[in-house]
Amino acid sequence: NAGVTQTPKFRILKIGQSMTLQCTQDMNHNYMYWYRQDPGMGLKLIYYSVGAGITDKGEVPNGYNVSRSTTEDFPLRLELAAPSQTSVYFCASTGQFRNTIYFGEGSWLTVV
Amino acid sequence: AQSVAQPEDQVNVAEGNPLTVKCTYSVSGNPYLFWYVQYPNRGLQFLLKYITGDNLVKGSYGFEAEFNKSQTSFHLKKPSALVSDSALYFCAVRDPQTGANNLFFGTGTRLTVIP
Repeated sequence: NAGVTQTPKFRILKIGQSMTLQCTQDMNHNYMYWYRQDPGMGLKLIYYSVGAGITDKGEVPNGYNVSRSTTEDFPLRLELAAPSQTSVYFCASTGQFRNTIYFGEGSWLTVV
Repeated sequence: AQSVAQPEDQVNVAEGNPLTVKCTYSVSGNPYLFWYVQYPNRGLQFLLKYITGDNLVKGSYGFEAEFNKSQTSFHLKKPSALVSDSALYFCAVRDPQTGANNLFFGTGTRLTVIP
């Protein structure tokens, strides 16, 4: 009963470092998403994918990159981390009709 | 453009009393509407959705929401609040007519149920 799994749960990065947030889902969903959640701001879409090999930018893509080599996995790459990227990151997925999005447990990232 | 407004940052209600968390939306077509709940240090959990059909939608944990097209609202309700309902609630909308792949979220309403 895994659903959407994200790792790591918590991470502290220094300014300028890079890292990858991992996301995998076992529901055979075509659509996958990365959101960030800032206090009082709701969730903002970073990148999304409509299937393996296809990705596109969301509302706030700057400073991030993604890839989708398989249906299951949708990693988010942070290059040259900045304090403005301190946030909670959520991976999510949904099926063909995009009626309900299922979220992972979140990754708390602090850039110092 | 799609948008969601949750006009109340904080809602306090006594245990056993009815609760309402407000949500209004703006889309160009017929909306898909959702409510999610977030407990501390956890991801968002799906509560309920309106796609089409009956305007009153029933969801998990005794919650329900009423779609009101004329008022462009989708308020979340529960007849009798529990302390365990205390959490952060998000309303979200998608406009399927635009082919948008994204859910647009409100800024969240923190519900506190007072024992």
